[in-house]
Amino acid sequence: KAGVTQTPRYLIKTRGQQVTLSCSPISGHRSVSWYQQTPGQGLQFLFEYFSETQRNKGNFPGRFSGRQFSNSRSEMNVSTLELGDSALYLCASSEGAIDTQYFGPGTRLTVL
Amino acid sequence: QKEVEQDPGPLSVPEGAIVSLNCTYSNSAFQYFMWYRQYSRKGPELLMYTYSSGNKEDGRFTAQVDKSSKYISLFIRDSQPSDSATYLCASGRTTDKLIFGTGTRLQVFP
Repeated sequence: KAGVTQTPRYLIKTRGQQVTLSCSPISGHRSVSWYQQTPGQGLQFLFEYFSETQRNKGNFPGRFSGRQFSNSRSEMNVSTLELGDSALYLCASSEGAIDTQYFGPGTRLTVL
Repeated sequence: QKEVEQDPGPLSVPEGAIVSLNCTYSNSAFQYFMWYRQYSRKGPELLMYTYSSGNKEDGRFTAQVDKSSKYISLFIRDSQPSDSATYLCASGRTTDKLIFGTGTRLQVFP
């Protein structure tokens, strides 16, 4: 099976702009989670979608949003970008429960 | 206090050494425990997971969980330079979010 894919791999934006990141889970996986990874904070949970519904949410401001499509592909959107949003954004998929998650390579976002 | 705490290292060991990586967690409701390995510029890769106290072995890797003391360990036997990476522990409850430690950077030198 193909692994989790994320596009784009690298992105450079300026403050105030918005960005959309995409994630395609492993075939058959219905749960998609998003994480932000920074050197100082490590991996922080953003949200999880299961069968097109947000099932869990982390402690991030409303500028961070996501959605999941009927084919389980997911997108994450960040509006009004801030310098502190520069990070590696990782997507992970699992069959159902959140235990065995498989990660994609990530999208590295740089906000200037 | 973070729900999952992990010593960031870095940890530097010679090839062939036994490596011990450790985490503690605070939530007694956590049901499962994972170890991920992350190479530079890559996403985390699932190494091992377990639901119960005790040891779970997979090749050179042994995961150990002690629920009474809320302690999670990963042992690497006969460490290799290719084991050089950041190791992340994680824990959580089924259908709830997974909580990660900040990661321990390991370097195995020849």
